[in-house]
Amino acid sequence: QVQLVQSGAEVKKPGASLRVSCMTSGYDFSLYFIHWVRQAPGQGLAWMGWINPHSGGTHYAQSFQGRVTMTRATSINTAYMELTRLTSDDTAVYYCAREVAPHHPTYYFDFWGQGTVVTVSS
Amino acid sequence: QSVLTQPPSASGTPGQRVTISCSGSSSNIGTNTVNWYQQLLGTAPRLLIYSNNQRPSGVPDRFSGSKSGTSASLAISGLQSDDEADYFCAAWDDSLNGWVFGGGTKLTVL
Repeated sequence: QVQLVQSGAEVKKPGASLRVSCMTSGYDFSLYFIHWVRQAPGQGLAWMGWINPHSGGTHYAQSFQGRVTMTRATSINTAYMELTRLTSDDTAVYYCAREVAPHHPTYYFDFWGQGTVVTVSS
Repeated sequence: QSVLTQPPSASGTPGQRVTISCSGSSSNIGTNTVNWYQQLLGTAPRLLIYSNNQRPSGVPDRFSGSKSGTSASLAISGLQSDDEADYFCAAWDDSLNGWVFGGGTKLTVL
């Protein structure tokens, strides 16, 4: 069965960097884009960007440009999201999600990781 | 402020039918399909409706979606206590070149 398992909770100081991993299993990792979405406490969902595991190509949301980097390790079917220059506004739950794109214009996230709680505090 | 607009809350009694609206613009809902996600307290979002009105396997037919112009709706019939959750709409935005979400609607079953 398809699973996305994320790394554990993190506590970071302002100005530090964060790396969250998303280990996948149960399907061909190279065939589906991985997206990252975050949710601040009591807030809605905010899309951060995607990575194409096959090519390594990425596309980031404008609001995270310059601070976020998404990578992957195909040998272990794992995607990573790194966020730099953290502030308290980056306190959130970070999710990875698999995107299904059977045909244009149908795209959706069918499986999600369990979420990684990140707290940024001095 | 979310790009897609949802009411912050909705409620109903067991057995009732409730609808949740999602309003967007020509660059997102007006051009692309809408997906709906259900998020139970403390858990990750779960796909509920994709491509405006399609249900993934395992989602009861009590849940249905529709789209008209730049708005979409999620309907839940035969409301159950287990339906108490946050519901989010989502669509690709051609102007922003990214996914946009609604702010979420908290559904309370009275």
